[in-house]
Amino acid sequence: DIQMTQSPSTLSASVGDRVTITCRASQSIGVWLAWYQQKPGKAPNFLIYRASTLESGVPSRFSGSGSGTEFTLTISGLQPDDSAIYYCQHYFGDSATFGQGTRVEIK
Amino acid sequence: EVQLLESGGALVQPGGSLRLSCAASGFPFSAYAMNWVRQAPGKGLEWVSSIRNDGGRTSYADALKGQFTISRDNSNNTLYLQMNSLRAEDTAVYYCAKERSRGTMADNFDSWGQGALVTVSS
Repeated sequence: DIQMTQSPSTLSASVGDRVTITCRASQSIGVWLAWYQQKPGKAPNFLIYRASTLESGVPSRFSGSGSGTEFTLTISGLQPDDSAIYYCQHYFGDSATFGQGTRVEIK
Repeated sequence: EVQLLESGGALVQPGGSLRLSCAASGFPFSAYAMNWVRQAPGKGLEWVSSIRNDGGRTSYADALKGQFTISRDNSNNTLYLQMNSLRAEDTAVYYCAKERSRGTMADNFDSWGQGALVTVSS
């Protein structure tokens, strides 16, 4: 089974900072990767698919990149509303696997 | 507007069974695959199961095969998850989630319900 590992587990940054979260796959997964944001007590919110395609309605400060085994989610110009846990998700062949999540805190 | 409303969450004893429902509206339900994702208290997201739009194909997380059964009723726009032989480690919020694109399954989940809490405890 493919394992998805995110780093860091937690990061703290200031409003306006550029923030990067990394997601690594245990083997190559092409670009079959998505990103979600989850705020406390809420359902996840879908952000990015196919590693770098922004879902409609998602602010342009969010971007994704990568292929193969290493992927990044970048928030360019962190906003207070971005405080949340972010999950990567690999999808292929009728199954899906999530990373363990990265908590983003605002200083 | 897409709406997904889970129901059926409850406190159940170990070894018991429970069926969750997810009532869908705001989109052509029969055109999209649907999914269940769960989240144990204080833990991350775990994909549980998916079902094709016509119900003709299903998939499950390896650890849950034979224990959970996903199904759907397209005439009533409802998704189900039958859970048997429940254990403490099945305690979680269970979300139903809509597939983003027609023709895919267990890919991208673009709309989620508010979740149903299942607690397995004696």
